[in-house]
Amino acid sequence: KQEVTQIPAALSVPEGENLVLNCSFTDSAIYNLQWFRQDPGKGLTSLLLIQSSQREQTSGRLNASLDKSSGRSTLYIAASQPGDSATYLCAVDSGANSKLTFGKGITLSVRP
Amino acid sequence: DAGVIQSPRHEVTEMGQEVTLRCKPISGHNSLFWYRQTMMRGLELLIYFNNNVPIDDSGMPEDRFSAKMPNASFSTLKIQPSEPRDSAVYFCASSRRTGLGETQYFGPGTRLLVL
Repeated sequence: KQEVTQIPAALSVPEGENLVLNCSFTDSAIYNLQWFRQDPGKGLTSLLLIQSSQREQTSGRLNASLDKSSGRSTLYIAASQPGDSATYLCAVDSGANSKLTFGKGITLSVRP
Repeated sequence: DAGVIQSPRHEVTEMGQEVTLRCKPISGHNSLFWYRQTMMRGLELLIYFNNNVPIDDSGMPEDRFSAKMPNASFSTLKIQPSEPRDSAVYFCASSRRTGLGETQYFGPGTRLLVL
């Protein structure tokens, strides 16, 4: 059974700092990995999707990497801003049916 | 597009009552997912449909939970009878399944409190 872990559960950084959020998964036979953002009281918004054949994906200040063999992914946020404050969830798709297994998320607070 | 629509947004009910949650997926999407989110367990997949057919309901906690998708634009998740431990946020998501692994689009969720 696939398990996804995100540590730490919470992170607080000053504005402008570059930061890395980590995600690990137990079964390396994945189809893709996705990063989502969740604002308080809201649903999830997809940020990046990395196919199993890819090593990384970039969108603006966000860069996600994937190392299947070690069961790890990182989400890099450059020049963090207070508006980046949210919970970031990592999710792994272990098959072609798009059935996702989620980590519990990292709650990020960017201090002005 | 309006995105995934869920109703109601909030529901407070008493133990033993029937609860029905509703979802309208994004037009053209052929996969629909029901999730439950709690502080303790995080986000869990309950059931998902492809082309209106339930594919995997292994996440449904027990027989008190049931889900239907009578057509491509509507799905319901029903809890009968409800219990306090069912209190959670229930999300519906949809995607356009192409076999390549597609982004799921989430609704705003229904916050359920069972007293």
